[in-house]
Amino acid sequence: AQSVAQPEDQVNVAEGNPLTVKCTYSVSGNPYLFWYVQYPNRGLQFLLKYITGDNLVKGSYGFEAEFNKSQTSFHLKKPSALVSDSALYFCAVREVPSALNFGKGTSLLVTP
Amino acid sequence: EPEVTQTPSHQVTQMGQEVILRCVPISNHLYFYWYRQILGQKVEFLVSFYNNEISEKSEIFDDQFSVERPDGSNFTLKIRSTKLEDSAMYFCASGGSESNQPQHFGDGTRLSIL
Repeated sequence: AQSVAQPEDQVNVAEGNPLTVKCTYSVSGNPYLFWYVQYPNRGLQFLLKYITGDNLVKGSYGFEAEFNKSQTSFHLKKPSALVSDSALYFCAVREVPSALNFGKGTSLLVTP
Repeated sequence: EPEVTQTPSHQVTQMGQEVILRCVPISNHLYFYWYRQILGQKVEFLVSFYNNEISEKSEIFDDQFSVERPDGSNFTLKIRSTKLEDSAMYFCASGGSESNQPQHFGDGTRLSIL
């Protein structure tokens, strides 16, 4: 089965600093990878996806992610964090044919 | 921007009762999903629905659960004979014409079984 792992329960970063939220994957074949964000009492919002093509994927709200096949990673990044980026972030891999298998989530806290 | 809408936002039910959770997917989407998130745990896939039938389901989605698209707009999840462990956030999602397109999620229904 396809799976993703998010090794960090929480990431703390100061506003203005770069942030990275880590995700590694385990798949057979080519991975379809996604990042979603969840704000309190809200559903999951799509940030970006990697299907094929450029390893650096740009998404919503200034986020980007780098697909690294040799390290089987798909880390989420942002050059300059905002307090409003504080939320729960989920990495996901698409199972065949279409269900998403989510990681356990990483709580991002950006402090002023 | 079109959204997936779910009702009710919070449902409280006695154990053993039946509940129906309702969703209105994005209108031109063809794939529909239900996920659940037990408090403090990760989001888990329940079922997907395409072309008026279930296309895949997880081991969680047993005979207690059923889905239906009764008309052109609604997508429902029915849970029969609810148990305490069914308490969770239930998210509906819909996706476009290809299965690798992003799924768009509603804000969820918090189901509390007493």
